[in-house]
Amino acid sequence: ETGVTQSPTHLIKTRGQQVTLRCSSQSGHNTVSWYQQALGQGPQFIFQYYREEENGRGNFPPRFSGLQFPNYSSELNVNALELDDSALYLCASSSSALTQETQYFGPGTRLLVL
Amino acid sequence: ILNVEQSPQSLHVQEGDSTNFTCSFPSSNFYALHWYRWETAKSPEALFVMTLNGDEKKKGRISATLNTKEGYSYLYIKGSQPEDSATYLCAFIKTSYDKVIFGPGTSLSVIP
Repeated sequence: ETGVTQSPTHLIKTRGQQVTLRCSSQSGHNTVSWYQQALGQGPQFIFQYYREEENGRGNFPPRFSGLQFPNYSSELNVNALELDDSALYLCASSSSALTQETQYFGPGTRLLVL
Repeated sequence: ILNVEQSPQSLHVQEGDSTNFTCSFPSSNFYALHWYRWETAKSPEALFVMTLNGDEKKKGRISATLNTKEGYSYLYIKGSQPEDSATYLCAFIKTSYDKVIFGPGTSLSVIP
């Protein structure tokens, strides 16, 4: 049991809508990373939050934004949804922002954009 | 754009067979490599973190080796069991300032 939870598990939205995905990090972890996994590909890094500040961002447009709260849980917000945003969104928490630190993943949120 | 590749894309083995698969990454810079196992309907689970050329890690029947000079890591499973069926992901980190880049994964099915 990793202790990382994500909600919701599944979500259906239409193009142009906005979505918020949530992640609760494992107890004692102060770092949360978000990934997008499209079908047939490995997870792609979206961004990382460390102690409530963004700490690195992948190649995703500004309509992908995030937050981290004082309890280190996190949200991923996507505005103006596009069909290509349909994917599995994973969050992972770790005990530090060091890149070699082991990450503990949640089960993911599967988003379908129609 | 950094490419992290894994081969084969998928494989099917009989219970009891040993198997191995490959993660290839750019050899010009290396900081760390992670291996994860991802069973269907579960969360990816960390197997190994490898940081030094020549590293060998072992966890039960699963082991991994690392060659940073030629840019590859092997994952070996000895005596495969049905519960080993999963997708195995590698994740490459170029420098301490970079974030992880995942490969596309190798899907393993172990047939009883």
